[in-house]
Amino acid sequence: AQSVTQLGSHVSVSEGALVLLRCNYSSSVPPYLFWYVQYPNQGLQLLLKYTSAATLVKGINGFEAEFKKSETSFHLTKPSAHMSDAAEYFCAVSEAGGTSYGKLTFGQGTILTVHP
Amino acid sequence: KAGVTQTPRYLIKTRGQQVTLSCSPISGHRSVSWYQQTPGQGLQFLFEYFSETQRNKGNFPGRFSGRQFSNSRSEMNVSTLELGDSALYLCASSPTQGAGEKLFFGSGTQLSVL
Repeated sequence: AQSVTQLGSHVSVSEGALVLLRCNYSSSVPPYLFWYVQYPNQGLQLLLKYTSAATLVKGINGFEAEFKKSETSFHLTKPSAHMSDAAEYFCAVSEAGGTSYGKLTFGQGTILTVHP
Repeated sequence: KAGVTQTPRYLIKTRGQQVTLSCSPISGHRSVSWYQQTPGQGLQFLFEYFSETQRNKGNFPGRFSGRQFSNSRSEMNVSTLELGDSALYLCASSPTQGAGEKLFFGSGTQLSVL
């Protein structure tokens, strides 16, 4: 079975500060890992995904995440926050192989607030 | 290319009624998944369809059902609505089925059950 834990339901940063959103996963097989962002009244948009090609994954809007197998983590970072980054962020896991196909298991989400 | 289209955008129903939600995937995408999003339970997987066949199903009661048509459009139906069914229902499509595929989400249908 797969699961995702996002540490911190709310994160607040100042504009220009480092953004760090934490995600830990549990998976019985090698995982695929994703970060999605959701703006108010919208669906989810993919920021980046890890599929075992490289442990450091770069995504859109300056975000990146590092897969650390020993820590079962996939934290999302951005060096300098922008006001437009304010949104809710979801970490998700999908199991490679098996019959889970496209099923994603999501974390509970982290709301990012950016202060001027 | 048009994105994933979900209709209607908002829906208000009363307990006991049934509802049908529609999803048109991105052109060429053959896999459609459905998710329920609520403040308490977060995002939960409902089911996935590929080539008109249900490939995977989440842990929801039988009142939740779906189908996919030959043009890949999908519908989900909820019968005998309960207050707890109030949620944002999100549809996502991908070119094929597969664990590593990225999903393209629609804006969702906000269902309110009174």
